[in-house]
Amino acid sequence: QKEVEQDPGPLSVPEGAIVSLNCTYSNSAFQYFMWYRQYSRKGPELLMYTYSSGNKEDGRFTAQVDKSSKYISLFIRDSQPSDSATYLCAMDQFYFGTGTSLTVIP
Amino acid sequence: SQTIHQWPATLVQPVGSPLSLECTVEGTSNPNLYWYRQAAGRGLQLLFYSVGIGQISSEVPQNLSASRPQDRQFILSSKKLLLSDSGFYLCAWSSGGIPPAETQYFGPGTRLLVL
Repeated sequence: QKEVEQDPGPLSVPEGAIVSLNCTYSNSAFQYFMWYRQYSRKGPELLMYTYSSGNKEDGRFTAQVDKSSKYISLFIRDSQPSDSATYLCAMDQFYFGTGTSLTVIP
Repeated sequence: SQTIHQWPATLVQPVGSPLSLECTVEGTSNPNLYWYRQAAGRGLQLLFYSVGIGQISSEVPQNLSASRPQDRQFILSSKKLLLSDSGFYLCAWSSGGIPPAETQYFGPGTRLLVL
C-alpha cells in the first residue's frame, strides 16, 4: 500500500463549478499537509499548507484535513480555465500523491 | 526575492552516457536543497537532499549521485544512464529549518529522455 493515494483523474468540469480533490494516506503520524499545483511541463508550486486537522481558506481555495479518517481535500470554488493543471497532495514534506489532472472547460 | 534555476530544460541522452544536471538558487543563503524525479503516474520521488555544502543524503539507491560544491548550487550526476532514468527532474529548496515543517519551492525542471 502506498503511503499516499490520489485519484489520477482526469477530471473535467465546466467553468464556475466547484471542484473537489482528495487524497488518503496510511501513516497516522503525518502532521503537515500540502497541496501543490503543477502546470504542464513546469515545476509544482505550493497552493495550501495546513498543520494537523481542520480547514484553511485562501481565496477560492479551501484545504480540509480529517486526521481521524486520514483524508485530505482541496476545494476550488468558481473554477476558472486557468485552474487547469495537475494538483498534487503532499504530507510531511516528502510524501507526494501522484497528482490529479484537472481541466476546466470555458 | 528568491529564484531557482535549473538547466538544461530538456535533454536527450543515449543509454550509458554520463549526466550532469545543475540547479542554483538566488536570494537566500544556506538553503536546504532537494532533487526529485517525477515519472508518469508515480508522483514525486525524493532522490537526494542536502542541508549544507558537501552534505548529501540519499533516499533511493540507484546509479545517480548528487553534489553540493557551493552553498546555492546542487548537481545531479550519473556515470552511465539507464533507460529507467528517464523522467522529469525537479530541484527544490527550503529555508533551512527542520523537516517536516518546511515549505519547498520547486524549480522549472529538466525533462530527461534516455534512448
